[in-house]
Amino acid sequence: EVHLVESGGGLVKPGGSLRLSCAVSDFTFNDRWMNWLRQAPGKGLEWVGRIKSKTSGGTTDYAAPVKGRFTMSRDDSKNTVFLEMNSLKIEDTAMYYCARDYWSTFDIWGQGTMVTVSS
Amino acid sequence: EVVLTQSPGTLSLSPGERLTLSCRTSESVSSASLAWYQQKPGQSPRLLISGASSRATGIPDRFSGSGSGTDFTLTISRLEPEDFAVYYCQHYGNSLPVTFGQGTKVEIK
Repeated sequence: EVHLVESGGGLVKPGGSLRLSCAVSDFTFNDRWMNWLRQAPGKGLEWVGRIKSKTSGGTTDYAAPVKGRFTMSRDDSKNTVFLEMNSLKIEDTAMYYCARDYWSTFDIWGQGTMVTVSS
Repeated sequence: EVVLTQSPGTLSLSPGERLTLSCRTSESVSSASLAWYQQKPGQSPRLLISGASSRATGIPDRFSGSGSGTDFTLTISRLEPEDFAVYYCQHYGNSLPVTFGQGTKVEIK
């Protein structure tokens, strides 16, 4: 069974940085596109960005609110995907989920890691 | 960006009743790009339906999806106690961003 485990969340001041990790237990990780999504407290789901597999170019795409501030990367040797978040804003406060990309859906999700941006 | 509008915002029903949720897109989309998720309090979302009408692995057959163009529907034929949750539709097409509806909360009447 595939598991995704996020870590790295916490409390950070506005303008600060944080790096999230998502460890994947899936021997086919190398071939997978991975996504980050978030959910502000009491709000709906928001897509943050995705990183393609190396065989698909390894490129990244981001949602407009985070473009230029957030960077996704992956380490296929460690089955891990990362989300580097810089210049954090109060409105970035949310539960952050990583999710496996599967034919225009997100078929497996992690349990999430909470990021709180507050002074 | 494709905007998804779900209705109603909240629905109060009793176990055993039939549930029909609507998701309308701001432009015509491919059925392959439309999915539905269920989220219970304190849990991660769970994929229910992909390609507008295909149940995900392990999803009971009381869940069904339909629709095309700009109008899509999620139906639960007979509500079970564990079905009370928030439901989201999602569009993930060739052009980004991925977008979600605002969600419909299904609560016990």
